[in-house]
Amino acid sequence: DQQVKQNSPSLSVQEGRISILNCDYTNSMFDYFLWYKKYPAEGPTFLISISSIKDKNEDGRFTVFLNKSAKHLSLHIVPSQPGDSAVYFCAASEEGGSEKLVFGKGTKLTVNP
Amino acid sequence: DSGVTQTPKHLITATGQRVTLRCSPRSGDLSVYWYQQSLDQGLQFLIQYYNGEERAKGNILERFSAQQFPDLHSELNLSSLELGDSALYFCASSVGSITGELFFGEGSRLTVL
Repeated sequence: DQQVKQNSPSLSVQEGRISILNCDYTNSMFDYFLWYKKYPAEGPTFLISISSIKDKNEDGRFTVFLNKSAKHLSLHIVPSQPGDSAVYFCAASEEGGSEKLVFGKGTKLTVNP
Repeated sequence: DSGVTQTPKHLITATGQRVTLRCSPRSGDLSVYWYQQSLDQGLQFLIQYYNGEERAKGNILERFSAQQFPDLHSELNLSSLELGDSALYFCASSVGSITGELFFGEGSRLTVL
């Protein structure tokens, strides 16, 4: 069973517009969520995280929103840039990160110039 | 550069064989994690070591084993290889035993023919 789901395998947006990547989870014990970005031939790199005590966390052009009641989080990238083209993984863990990270399958974002 | 080094980068072998993947964590990081990424799959957690001790276990097959040495480098041993073991194997490290933000290596791509 997939505890972290990224239902959109791919997303294409125009440069300068907003990119919204979505993630749903089923495990109500998850309380720490992260987004990772992965370029081809590289390992995933940490992008932004959010604890379940918050509903929003912002870092520059990247904002993560958490809706606990809906078990849903989203990553907003504004404005999108061609360099943002990558695969984005949503990940979650229980007990503030003391348990293993569970990853989604990823969403491939393409930002067109 | 995440500071996590994985070798080899690519490996091609035959079914039934045994291979060893090696990982050197970032300087100062005590935790090492192994993840498997198969085609169209997310990152599947295999196992975590913290300061030489096994800390958490995921969906790791009995044919697979790992260890972390006193110098904190880790090895993942895959034996009796099957076609389905073909995947990208990522190593990640973190400072403590709490998962949180992980730093990933570039991965070892294993192809079993």
